Amino acid sequence: EAAVTQSPRNKVTVTGGNVTLSCRQTNSHNYMYWYRQDTGHGLRLIHYSYGAGNLQIGDVPDGYKATRTTQEDFFLLLELASPSQTSLYFCASSDGRVSGNTLYFGEGSRLIVV
Amino acid sequence: GEQVEQRPPHLSVREGDSAIIICTYTDSATAYFSWYKQEAGAGLQLLMSVLSNVDRKEEQGLTVLLNKKDKRLSLNLTAAHPGDSAVYFCAVSASSGSWQLIFGSGTQLTVMP
Repeated sequence: EAAVTQSPRNKVTVTGGNVTLSCRQTNSHNYMYWYRQDTGHGLRLIHYSYGAGNLQIGDVPDGYKATRTTQEDFFLLLELASPSQTSLYFCASSDGRVSGNTLYFGEGSRLIVV
Repeated sequence: GEQVEQRPPHLSVREGDSAIIICTYTDSATAYFSWYKQEAGAGLQLLMSVLSNVDRKEEQGLTVLLNKKDKRLSLNLTAAHPGDSAVYFCAVSASSGSWQLIFGSGTQLTVMP
């Protein structure tokens, strides 16, 4: 049974549109992350959180907001979507241990902004 | 900050051959090294991980080598089979209490029958 579930799996929106990507984890992990994956760039961290109500900025946060409503749920918000945000988005969770942080990923949400 | 370079971006091998993927990193304080596999249409899954006090680790046909002098991490798939076809990523983190993983750009491995 999937421990990190993302929705929607696919989304097409227009430039300037409003998009919310959802993520739920059942790993009881404190940390949750949003990454984007683009060819040639690997995975880049957008935002992360270490608990409900907490939000931290990642490496590529511009144009994105996020909210962690519960330990299980982490949302990524694109309020004015642009074509440059066309990408494959991954949510992940972890226990955040510094001696070896293993991330558990969802299956991804493909977003196309036309 | 830490920079990770991964090569090659694409790799094709025949079934039964070995496949080697290499990552180089810049921060000598890097302490945790991992490899993830991404199958088509799926998220990443951890394959293997090592701490900086380990030079070599073998598990189920996979070998991870760590050369701290050259700041190089490699993944060797011995006797690759078509089910190994996927995108592979290295990911590293520093020792300064940092949990954050820095990912390489990925290697698309194709294993031909």
